[in-house]
Amino acid sequence: DAKTTQPPSMDCAEGRAANLPCNHSTISGNEYVYWYRQIHSQGPQYIIHGLKNNETNEMASLIITEDRKSSTLILPHATLRDTAVYYCIVRLHPFYNQGGKLIFGQGTELSVKP
Amino acid sequence: GAVVSQHPSRVICKSGTSVKIECRSLDFQATTMFWYRQFPKQSLMLMATSNEGSKATYEQGVEKDKFLINHASLTLSTLTVTSAHPEDSSFYICSARGGDRSTGNTIYFGEGSWLTVV
Repeated sequence: DAKTTQPPSMDCAEGRAANLPCNHSTISGNEYVYWYRQIHSQGPQYIIHGLKNNETNEMASLIITEDRKSSTLILPHATLRDTAVYYCIVRLHPFYNQGGKLIFGQGTELSVKP
Repeated sequence: GAVVSQHPSRVICKSGTSVKIECRSLDFQATTMFWYRQFPKQSLMLMATSNEGSKATYEQGVEKDKFLINHASLTLSTLTVTSAHPEDSSFYICSARGGDRSTGNTIYFGEGSWLTVV
């Protein structure tokens, strides 16, 4: 699986948009970009995923550059409960290999401040 | 999203004993389950991948005789830490994916299980 690079930490003011960047310059054509977050002492929570088009759901938006070498997760109106470690993971489509496992990097620790 | 449940959430065991952690998919059939370990202030480390009805595939450096994984049904996988030692104390997390496109594209995680070996 391709490796990803994320800043170790970021701050965001409550109510403002949080933009979390991720570099995945060696991503291949059949690899997806997944985002998960982990609030302290809990299991990771799925946020969103995409292949090449931008995606939006009730939690966040995912913007993937045209060359697919980087992406940005956007939390449109961050709240204190969004404080967590955010993981950007490149994952081979599960139907190409056994299970399409997720390999976690170090992630970005997002602190949302009042 | 789909629900994955782990039990127990916390367990304390004596050194040298074995402890079993259960992982259940509550509203979908999990053809594949994954087990991770996480030490404080570190990221999740994948231990093994298990497919229903077959032997688990362990990541490099993970002792398969120490961490026994069973995936006997489409809704249950178990991790047994055998002859536990204090250095096995950690946060153990399971995850699961389904076999069809609606549940196979996303992996859902359990709440995690804290193991303390004394």
